[in-house]
Amino acid sequence: EVQLLVSGGGLVQPGGSRRLSCSASGLTFSNYDMTWVRQAPGKGLEWVSGISKSGDSTYYADSVKGRFIISRDNSKNTLYLLLNSLRAEDTAIYYCARPRDGYFRGYFDSWGQGTLVTVSS
Amino acid sequence: DIVMTQSPDSLAVSLGERATIDCKSSQSILSSTNNREYLAWYQQKPGQPPRLLIYWASTRESGVPDRFSGSGSGTDFTLTISSLQAEDVAVYYCQQYYDTPQTFGQGTKVEIK
Repeated sequence: EVQLLVSGGGLVQPGGSRRLSCSASGLTFSNYDMTWVRQAPGKGLEWVSGISKSGDSTYYADSVKGRFIISRDNSKNTLYLLLNSLRAEDTAIYYCARPRDGYFRGYFDSWGQGTLVTVSS
Repeated sequence: DIVMTQSPDSLAVSLGERATIDCKSSQSILSSTNNREYLAWYQQKPGQPPRLLIYWASTRESGVPDRFSGSGSGTDFTLTISSLQAEDVAVYYCQQYYDTPQTFGQGTKVEIK
């Protein structure tokens, strides 16, 4: 069974930074592109970022491009998202998600439980 | 970006009755390479992450009850719950994965009448 354990959320001041982690088990992590999806309180789902299997290629939504950095450590089966220059509108639950067919632009059959990032002074 | 628009935003259906949710994409999400519609449906209950229900517009995920079905092509898609059960109360989202950024509909809240 695939398990994705997300951690790192919390209260951050505007302009601050936070690193999220997603620890994966039950899968050959290096065989999958991975993604981050977020959900503002009471709102819908927004794809945030994706990364290739090796980590060589990264993709970002325009709303976070230049501020967020996605990365991965295949030796630790862990996906990361570094959130910089945080704004109030970045307040959301951040999920990591695995695309079924291994390509970041796909449908997601496994999701982490999510971690809440609150940006507020 | 491809815009996904769901309708209605919410609906209330009696137990055992049919629930229908529509999803419209702003452009075709049909691949000419493999003739597949790049559309998925998810169910999300409060406090939980989304759960995959349907992919390739009409393929039901393993373990999903057969009362859930997906249909449609081109730009117009539908999720049908043939006989609503109490455990189906949730928000449902469509997602296109044809192009980057992959985008979701705004969600449809399904309740019991």
